[in-house]
Amino acid sequence: TQLLEQSPQFLSIQEGENLTVYCNSSSVFSSLQWYRQEPGEGPVLLVTVVTGGEVKKLKRLTFQFGDARKDSSLHITAAQTGDTGLYLCAGGGMDSNYQLIWGAGTKLIIKP
Amino acid sequence: SAVISQKPSRDICQRGTSLTIQCQVDSQVTMMFWYRQQPGQSLTLIATANQGSEATYESGFVIDKFPISRPNLTFSTLTVSNMSPEDSSIYLCSVLTGTNYGYTFGSGTRLTVV
Repeated sequence: TQLLEQSPQFLSIQEGENLTVYCNSSSVFSSLQWYRQEPGEGPVLLVTVVTGGEVKKLKRLTFQFGDARKDSSLHITAAQTGDTGLYLCAGGGMDSNYQLIWGAGTKLIIKP
Repeated sequence: SAVISQKPSRDICQRGTSLTIQCQVDSQVTMMFWYRQQPGQSLTLIATANQGSEATYESGFVIDKFPISRPNLTFSTLTVSNMSPEDSSIYLCSVLTGTNYGYTFGSGTRLTVV
């Protein structure tokens, strides 16, 4: 059974600070997706990484896929209050890209 | 990417009753997915619904409790039957965006069973 461990589960920091969220597994994934969810809304896809070692940037957010495609990280530079939300990682299985393995989520609060 | 309209957005229901959640997609999609989520926590897949065939349920979820309809390529419903307080949760529908295997989600239905 594939598992995806996400950490930390909760993070509260001041605006302007940097932070990193991790997703780790002992299994290889075909892809790794990151979502952000705000209260009362469904998760919104931020990025998909598919190649080992791949790095993608979305403004102040940097996503990295591990060389072995077993782990990923999300780094936020100079966090803003608008970054507050629940961040979820999800791994695409090797057998089927339709079935995702979800991390437990990171609840991020950015204080003004 | 697809836009999903999900309703109701929230409801408070009496135990023993049933609630049907609807999802309308603005484009034709082959597969639709139904998830359950406790607030602030991760997602649990309930079932995958393909048009014209029986839904495929994940371990721990059964058709009698969560019947799903998929009458066409743009619409699906999930019914939560004979509800108990343990069914209180957020229910989400989703579809593949078609690019990079990402999912698009509805805004969710927050269900409280009293």
